[in-house]
Formats: sequence, C-alpha cells, structure tokens
Amino acid sequence: TQLLEQSPQFLSIQEGENLTVYCNSSSVFSSLQWYRQEPGEGPVLLVTVVTGGEVKKLKRLTFQFGDARKDSSLHITAAQPGDTGLYLCAGDNNDMRFGAGTRLTVKP
Amino acid sequence: NAGVTQTPKFQVLKTGQSMTLQCAQDMNHEYMSWYRQDPGMGLRLIHYSVGAGITDQGEVPNGYNVSRSTTEDFPLRLLSAAPSQTSVYFCASSYSTRGYEQYFGPGTRLTVT
Repeated sequence: TQLLEQSPQFLSIQEGENLTVYCNSSSVFSSLQWYRQEPGEGPVLLVTVVTGGEVKKLKRLTFQFGDARKDSSLHITAAQPGDTGLYLCAGDNNDMRFGAGTRLTVKP
Repeated sequence: NAGVTQTPKFQVLKTGQSMTLQCAQDMNHEYMSWYRQDPGMGLRLIHYSVGAGITDQGEVPNGYNVSRSTTEDFPLRLLSAAPSQTSVYFCASSYSTRGYEQYFGPGTRLTVT
C-alpha cells in the first residue's frame, strides 16, 4: 500500500472546467509537495506546503494542506490543455515518499 | 548549469547482467536520491544520500547498490538484473530533504529481458 493515496487515478475533462485532486495519508508530514510530470521528463515542483491549513495559489492552481498535515488537495480553475500531465504529491516523512499520481487530460 | 544529468537515456539488459546508471548534478546539492517509476505505483525511493560518503536505503533497495564519493555524483548499480527491475529510473537532487525542491533528471528507461 502507498503511504500517500491520490485520487482520482485518471481524470479527463473539457477545457474550461474546474477540478480537484486529492492526496491523503494516515501519516503526518512535516511538509508536502506537488509536482507535475510530462511524458518523457522528470517531475517539476509546483508548490511546497508546510503549515497545517495553509493555502497557496499559483495562478489558476490552488493548493491546500490539511489542518492535521495528513492530506492535501489541488484545485484547478478553468483548466486548459496545457494543464495536461501527471500530478504527483510527495510527503516528507524522514525521506520523501510519492503518491501514485493523478493523470489529468484536458481536452480542447 | 546543466542541473541533473543521467546516462544512459535507454538501456536493454539481459537477466543476470550488471550495469551502472550514472547521475551527476552541478548545483552543489547535498541530498541526492534514486527513484523508480512504474505504472500505477508512482515514484518509489530506492536509495538516498545526505552528503558525500553517506548513503541510506529507501523503500525498495533490494538488488541495487549506491555510493557517494563526491558531492556531484551518485551512481546506481544493478548487481544482477532481473525482469522485475524493468522501469524508468529517476535521479534527483535537492539542497536538503526537509521541504526543499527536488530537481529531477530526465530519467533512464531500463528494460530487462
């Protein structure tokens, strides 16, 4: 079983729609990161959240860290085809552990 | 800066063969790590290093060895390749493990037949 469970595993939406993906665990993390990965490339960091309840915004992306620092969500407003990719969360629990990811496809 | 570089990009091995995946970074990062990525499994940590001369096991270390003789280089050795080691391997580096951004290399796609 994964330390971090991400849902949904796959998501296919139309351009302009909103979406939320989730990253859940029973463990507490000192920090949690979200990465985006495109085919044939390594993951690239989007954001790091550290404080329970913290909300960070990156243009149309909103990240939230749960109050208990066990879970996180990523909300995308008005999705665009350029948002297509694999979204991975990673938690710092002495070493970095990744979830299996949510594969997002945004159709034009 | 080149960032994190990995070689080779692709590799095919036969069962039982050994090889070394190379990883180098030019950002003077202390923390380096190796992950494997399999469909539906995400990235799983194989080994990591918090500095030259120091290595430790991650989640899936069996069948792999690492060493860290310099800050820049962190090679991953497959001792006797098995089909279960068919995967995409990523090397990453960061200033520290505590909440710092990890910079990933482009990956090595390994097939063991």
